[in-house]
Amino acid sequence: GQQVMQIPQYQHVQEGEDFTTYCNSSTTLSNIQWYKQRPGGHPVFLIQLVKSGEVKKQKRLTFQFGEAKKNSSLHITATQTTDVGTYFCAAVSNFGNEKLTFGTGTRLTIIP
Amino acid sequence: NAGVTQTPKFQVLKTGQSMTLQCAQDMNHNSMYWYRQDPGMGLRLIYYSASEGTTDKGEVPNGYNVSRLNKREFSLRLESAAPSQTSVYFCASSEWLADYEQYFGPGTRLTVT
Repeated sequence: GQQVMQIPQYQHVQEGEDFTTYCNSSTTLSNIQWYKQRPGGHPVFLIQLVKSGEVKKQKRLTFQFGEAKKNSSLHITATQTTDVGTYFCAAVSNFGNEKLTFGTGTRLTIIP
Repeated sequence: NAGVTQTPKFQVLKTGQSMTLQCAQDMNHNSMYWYRQDPGMGLRLIYYSASEGTTDKGEVPNGYNVSRLNKREFSLRLESAAPSQTSVYFCASSEWLADYEQYFGPGTRLTVT
């Protein structure tokens, strides 16, 4: 079945440093979503990317969808303690198919 | 709006016992999902229901059954619990053709001894 690899598994950064997580698929994706899960919490939707090469920004967060629609990245500029959590990508392989395949997640911890 | 609610929040079972995890949503969504989350493995889809009256297997359906009782409720049943089913279970719902976003419940932390 569909597999989505996400790296790194863990990332520890000093507060104020940047952070990036990468998501890769062996197959072309219809679209990709990103979720954030705070420690002890549930996943919360951040954004969806649909178009090849699409870039979207939410304040300090920048999301990219690769030109071939096989990879995506989430970059956080100048991390803050509120950014702590696990970030998941979730892929949709076929348009109209409502199943998501989640990546394994990147757990971000911030050193104050 | 409560969103997606799940009961119970925590449960400890002995091997071989059965239980049902309950999920309800008040957003009038057609699609509902059950996931399990294990350390280092992300969220894996157990079963989903695209609409009332339909259910389909996900990635890891073995050992589970589901019931889409009505549009609001989607339950997950473990008939004979095994230690391998120790996990955190999340229910989610979405209105796929509207905004794609999945809304998650708070989760049920299940331990099977």
